[in-house]
Amino acid sequence: QVQLVESGGGVVQPGRSLRLSCAASGFTFSHFAMNWVRQAPGQGLEWVAVISFDGSNKIYGDSVKGRFTISRDNSKNTLYLEMNSLRAEDTAVYYCAKVDVYGPDWNLDSWGQGTLVSVSS
Amino acid sequence: DVVMTQSPLSLSVTLGQPASISCRSSHSLVYSDGNTYLNWFQQRPGQSPRRLIYQVSNRDSGVPDRFSGSGSGTDFTLKISRVEAEDVGVYYCMQGTHWPPKFGQGTKVEIK
Repeated sequence: QVQLVESGGGVVQPGRSLRLSCAASGFTFSHFAMNWVRQAPGQGLEWVAVISFDGSNKIYGDSVKGRFTISRDNSKNTLYLEMNSLRAEDTAVYYCAKVDVYGPDWNLDSWGQGTLVSVSS
Repeated sequence: DVVMTQSPLSLSVTLGQPASISCRSSHSLVYSDGNTYLNWFQQRPGQSPRRLIYQVSNRDSGVPDRFSGSGSGTDFTLKISRVEAEDVGVYYCMQGTHWPPKFGQGTKVEIK
């Protein structure tokens, strides 16, 4: 079955950087677009970014555009999110999510367990 | 951007009784391929979201048949025929038709 395991979260100071990883298994990773979604403490869900199956296309939400970079290594079945110039409002649990076989590249089905990023001085 | 509006935002239900959650979108969710990419996710306390329903009314594998989805265009509903204790959590609708994908605010379901 699909398994997505995020890592790399932690406490970081404002303005600093952090890289998240998501290890995928149980499906052919290189065939599917992948997404990042975040959830601030006690809040709802916010889509962050999507990357196409081959990494050639990337789209970002307005709140992270220019600061975050999504990438993937299909040889390692791993998705990444490089987060720069972090702000307090980036504090959230970050989930990687696999796209459904049907529909656009942001139509989600399976999610990982999430990794917590806390931006604080 | 598409706006997804759920109601109610909170629901207190007696065990064994039905529950219903509404989700309305500001734009039609019919995609260019003719399908409607409206999903329902369940988030139990302390867990990540789990998809229950895809394309309006299709249950994901392993989802109990007490969960059902219906609707079309801009108006959608998730129904739980008989609420069980394990159904406590927050339910989100999500549109996957238009970019950017958007979630409803979430509906918190608790047991009365």
